[in-house]
Amino acid sequence: AQTVTQSQPEMSVQEAETVTLSCTYDTSENNYYLFWYKQPPSRQMILVIRQEAYKQQNATENRFSVNFQKAAKSFSLKISDSQLGDTAMYFCAFMKHGSSGAGSYQLTFGKGTKLSVIP
Amino acid sequence: DAGITQSPRHKVTETGTPVTLRCHQTENHRYMYWYRQDPGHGLRLIHYSYGVKDTDKGEVSDGYSVSRSKTEDFLLTLESATSSQTSVYFCAISRGANVLTFGAGSRLTVL
Repeated sequence: AQTVTQSQPEMSVQEAETVTLSCTYDTSENNYYLFWYKQPPSRQMILVIRQEAYKQQNATENRFSVNFQKAAKSFSLKISDSQLGDTAMYFCAFMKHGSSGAGSYQLTFGKGTKLSVIP
Repeated sequence: DAGITQSPRHKVTETGTPVTLRCHQTENHRYMYWYRQDPGHGLRLIHYSYGVKDTDKGEVSDGYSVSRSKTEDFLLTLESATSSQTSVYFCAISRGANVLTFGAGSRLTVL
């Protein structure tokens, strides 16, 4: 079974600054996917960024980037130029890679990090 | 997300009553999921479906059952609700590319 650990229950950052959220995971799989989801006060789960484990290049999406360290099983999220709209819960999640079939595409989530952006 | 509708969005019920939550999709996707979200636990998988009448248990399936008689609908049933089932319930679909898309959530309170 996979586990995902987010060691920072809460964090805060000044507007326009940079912040990094930590995530570690445990798995015996070699091929998998990692995700960061954002949950603002509206409660909607929004995909922020996705990383494929077989790709060494770190994923980026505008102000969001990851530092993926496969050997260390670490997957941190960096938010640059933080904005007030970034205030949210952030969840790290793991998905096994596999062909379609029963159980495919299941996500295992960490407990989340509550990020507050301070004006 | 416009492709996934959860109903009801809010429900208050009493211990021992049956409750059914509905997830409806308009996109004909094969895989559908039910998660629950609780403070300090993140999201945990309850049940999932990989086709009509094909379902399986997730991490926290005790006290829940599911049914999928049509591709577009995935129902989550609490046969006899308990206070420990007070939670926010999320439905999700897999649109391919190994990405799950979530519904808006249903908040259930069991008194």
